[in-house]
Amino acid sequence: GENVEQHPSTLSVQEGDSAVIKCTYSDSASNYFPWYKQELGKRPQLIIDIRSNVGEKKDQRIAVTLNKTAKHFSLHITETQPEDSAVYFCAARGTASKLTFGTGTRLQVTL
Amino acid sequence: GAGVSQSPRYKVAKRGQDVALRCDPISGHVSLFWYQQALGQGPEFLTYFQNEAQLDKSGLPSDRFFAERPEGSVSTLKIQRTQQEDSAVYLCASSFSGRGRKLYEQYFGPGTRLTVT
Repeated sequence: GENVEQHPSTLSVQEGDSAVIKCTYSDSASNYFPWYKQELGKRPQLIIDIRSNVGEKKDQRIAVTLNKTAKHFSLHITETQPEDSAVYFCAARGTASKLTFGTGTRLQVTL
Repeated sequence: GAGVSQSPRYKVAKRGQDVALRCDPISGHVSLFWYQQALGQGPEFLTYFQNEAQLDKSGLPSDRFFAERPEGSVSTLKIQRTQQEDSAVYLCASSFSGRGRKLYEQYFGPGTRLTVT
């Protein structure tokens, strides 16, 4: 089955700096890659996603890139703000409809 | 519109008790998923419904876990004879399975935090 690895597990950046989180996946048939933000005690919230026929997608301060050949994808957050502090999960949708999640990255944005 | 809702939000069960967790998906969403999230981990897939049909239950950890969605809307995840290792947050997600840009997007409920003592 699909296996998703995510790193780093923790990331601390100063306000205004950029943050990058990277994930790799194992199933070459995976075709959809969402990113979720989860604040403590809250539900995972979909923040951006990308399909396998696209290499990059941007939405204001966040962007996702996908390299199908290398089977990795990344989340980029620019001009980070304190409210960006949360746990971020990448995921991949393989041949089944389910999502396989990474282990999460705890992002801390310091003033 | 209303998002995915789950009840109860918190459940404490004594080891050996049966529990039932409810999920109300977004109206019109055909697909419904259950995930289990252990503390500090990512959600792990349990089972998947398309309408009332359970198409994938490969993630259910044992035969003590059972899920149903009899009318293709509300779903219930039942855990029999709960064990301490069942303690986790149980998340429900729903997805619109029609065509278009929102295909594949899964929207999560707030989860039910189950603690087995």
